[in-house]
Amino acid sequence: EAQVTQNPRYLITVTGKKLTVTCSQNMNHEYMSWYRQDPGLGLRQIYYSMNVEVTDKGDVPEGYKVSRKEKRNFPLILESPSPNQTSLYFCASSLTGAEQYFGPGTRLTVT
Amino acid sequence: DQQVKQNSPSLSVQEGRISILNCDYTNSMFDYFLWYKKYPAEGPTFLISISSIKDKNEDGRFTVFLNKSAKHLSLHIVPSQPGDSAVYFCAALSSRSGYALNFGKGTSLLVTP
Repeated sequence: EAQVTQNPRYLITVTGKKLTVTCSQNMNHEYMSWYRQDPGLGLRQIYYSMNVEVTDKGDVPEGYKVSRKEKRNFPLILESPSPNQTSLYFCASSLTGAEQYFGPGTRLTVT
Repeated sequence: DQQVKQNSPSLSVQEGRISILNCDYTNSMFDYFLWYKKYPAEGPTFLISISSIKDKNEDGRFTVFLNKSAKHLSLHIVPSQPGDSAVYFCAALSSRSGYALNFGKGTSLLVTP
């Protein structure tokens, strides 16, 4: 089944404790991206990657890192999480960059 | 600054009638527009898209209209069904700017029996 998977789906952590949210797609898509969704703000792009070893900032990259060492995986790294990074995170992938297919989401709470 | 705007946070429509969801954008560099549907606790699901070289795209019950001069697009759902109840996000991108999707804040559609 073609899909985008994210892990974990739910995470509660404390300020400053490094964490990684994994994202994997099995559709051989070139393009991958991370978004966060916050009440009243909709979905905002954090980082995106056009291909392996190519990443670029989206609208809200501060406090996040990404890497794209292989085509199928695009982990999101929070080196020192803060409470304002409490949010719902979505990973997406696309063959062309246009129609993007989303994972199920990761709900992160930073206390 | 919000470049894609959905000014109606919610919409209620009777089953069988037409649902019209509206979206405005400000960036003239956008050349591709998409609609996503989202249920609670799930990721957005791609619904339909339209390129800026077209003014209409149809897929079953869903039709998207694009008015470039007005920087406006709309999604028509005919006939509306209770299973269409969800949050609908309008999104736009520029193929010359890394395909970063710019989303509106969403419109919550409720289709009542």
